[in-house]
Amino acid sequence: EVQLVESGGGLVQPGGSLRLSCAASEFTFSSYWMHWVRQAPGKGLVWVSRIKGDGSHTIYADSVKGRFTISRDNAKNTLYLQMNSLRAEDTAVYYCVRDNDVWAFDIWGQGTFLTVSS
Amino acid sequence: QSALTQPASVSGSPGQSITISCTGTSSDVGAYNYVSWYQQHPGKAPKLMIYDVSKRPSGVSYRFSGSKSGNTASLTISGLQVEDEADYYCSSYTRSITWVFGGGTKLTVL
Repeated sequence: EVQLVESGGGLVQPGGSLRLSCAASEFTFSSYWMHWVRQAPGKGLVWVSRIKGDGSHTIYADSVKGRFTISRDNAKNTLYLQMNSLRAEDTAVYYCVRDNDVWAFDIWGQGTFLTVSS
Repeated sequence: QSALTQPASVSGSPGQSITISCTGTSSDVGAYNYVSWYQQHPGKAPKLMIYDVSKRPSGVSYRFSGSKSGNTASLTISGLQVEDEADYYCSSYTRSITWVFGGGTKLTVL
């Protein structure tokens, strides 16, 4: 079964850092663009970042630009999101998502929850 | 990038049809046919229901259909079933090479 499993969420103080991971299985990970999408408690979905299959191209939402870094290790079939200078408004469930090659999100992980609070 | 505009809630009775609108701008919905729709049940991850405005992924019921006119996309669910009760989100690729979601619509099946 095609699957994405996120990990690494937790409680972080404002200004702190954290790295999320997403393990992919049962598909050729390196062939797909991948995204991070987040959802604050009780709120809607917000796109965060995208990375090309070979890791050569990345792009970010303005709200995280300069603070978050998306990366991938295709040998380990793993996607990452390094988050620095965290703010309370970054509190959310973070989903790892596969792009279906026509700019839609066809496979979602179960999400990992980040809380930024003192 | 502002969120796409969706109604906060819609409702319908089993067997009826409902339509959820998703309004953007000429820089997103109106610019490309890369509009997609997602269903999210409470506590669950979203599920892709429609992509490329009107295409259904394998396994998604024919009762779900999509369309677009200008800067507004629409999701129609026909033959409403109790299990369709969920939150629905639209999304669009944008000219800025980013993605934007709608604020979400809560569907209640009465």
